[in-house]
Formats: sequence, structure tokens, C-alpha cells
Amino acid sequence: DAKTTQPTSMDCAEGRAANLPCNHSTISGNEYVYWYRQIHSQGPQYIIHGLKNNETNEMASLIITEDRKSSTLILPHATLRDTAVYYCIASNAGGTSYGKLTFGQGTILTVHP
Amino acid sequence: DAGVIQSPRHEVTEMGQEVTLRCKPISGHDYLFWYRQTMMRGLELLIYFNNNVPIDDSGMPEDRFSAKMPNASFSTLKIQPSEPRDSAVYFCASSLAGSGANVLTFGAGSRLTVL
Repeated sequence: DAKTTQPTSMDCAEGRAANLPCNHSTISGNEYVYWYRQIHSQGPQYIIHGLKNNETNEMASLIITEDRKSSTLILPHATLRDTAVYYCIASNAGGTSYGKLTFGQGTILTVHP
Repeated sequence: DAGVIQSPRHEVTEMGQEVTLRCKPISGHDYLFWYRQTMMRGLELLIYFNNNVPIDDSGMPEDRFSAKMPNASFSTLKIQPSEPRDSAVYFCASSLAGSGANVLTFGAGSRLTVL
């Protein structure tokens, strides 16, 4: 898996958009970008993933730069329940890499009232 | 669906004792994973199964660890004998290959403390 770099921590005001950056400058052409989060004392939770195009689901939006060297996870209206560690992962979609997610240290997002 | 169910949620045992952690994956999922999380090493994949067959156990730390999946709805991770360095949170996760690779649903975890 390509190495990813994320800020150690970020703050966000409740109700505002939270924009979490991730650098993956060595990503290969067949590696997807995945985002998971882990709320305190819970298991990791899948958020979203993408290859080239921007993606949106009910939880978040994923913006991937055209050169695919970086991406941004956007939580459009952060709530206190979004306080968690957010992991950006670059990984092949299958084959021998299936399920072998390298979580790294992630970004601790704290949403303030 | 109740999600991935793990038991026990907390286990405290003494060094040398056998520990068995249990997991019930989401019905219909064909992949099952065991991960371990520690402060020092973060989240690590230990082993995974596809259709109840172990595919990759390269992450299992040593022979004291073993995992089984006797049927599609149940898996165990056993540590015998346990050691203090095995203290960690152990997560089970499952996925459906057809729904998108690497989209895993994790359980709440089993926190193991070995004294």
C-alpha cells in the first residue's frame, strides 16, 4: 500500500464543514483511497472510497486531485458525534491485498460546540 | 442486521491461561477478518477467511495464536498460552466481496488484558 500522510489533529466547530486532508503522493494507478473513522471505544467504521472521481454518500464527500497525489474528506455539517480518529488508506481493491488495510495514525478530529 | 457481534467485550486473565474470542459476522458476508489494535502498533491484520477458509495468516504473531471458522456464522481467535504482551483490543470484521473491495464492517471489539 502507498504511504499516506495526515495531520495529527484538527478542530472544527459544530455545524461547519470539516475538511480532512490526506497526502498519498506515491499512490499507484490501481490503488483506491479509503476513509475509515474510529469513534472512541468503537470499531473502525467505513466512510467512503474512490479511485479517480469525486465521490459522495450520505456520510461525506471525497475529493481526489487530478494527479491523485492527495485527497480531502469533507464532512459537510460536522456534529459532536463526528469527533473521532479519521484514517486515510491507499490500497488495492482486491487480490492478495484484500482486507489488508494499513491504518496508520490517522487524524484526530475534535468537533467543538 | 445487528452487525458484527463479538464476545466477550472485556476479558481479564492471567498469564498462561487460554483465551478464546468469538465473532459472528454479518449474515451473507463471505470474508472475515481478525485485527488487533495496540497503542504501539495501531491496527494490524492478523488473519482473514474467505468462505470459511483461511487465506492469509501471515499477521498471526506466533504459534500461540490460532483462528478457526467452522461455519459461515462463527469464528474464534484463540490464544494459548496468553502473555501480557497480548493485551490489546481485538476486532473482527466482515465484508461481502461483491459490494466493493476493502469495505469492511467491524465489530465493537474485545478488550483483552493479560496480567
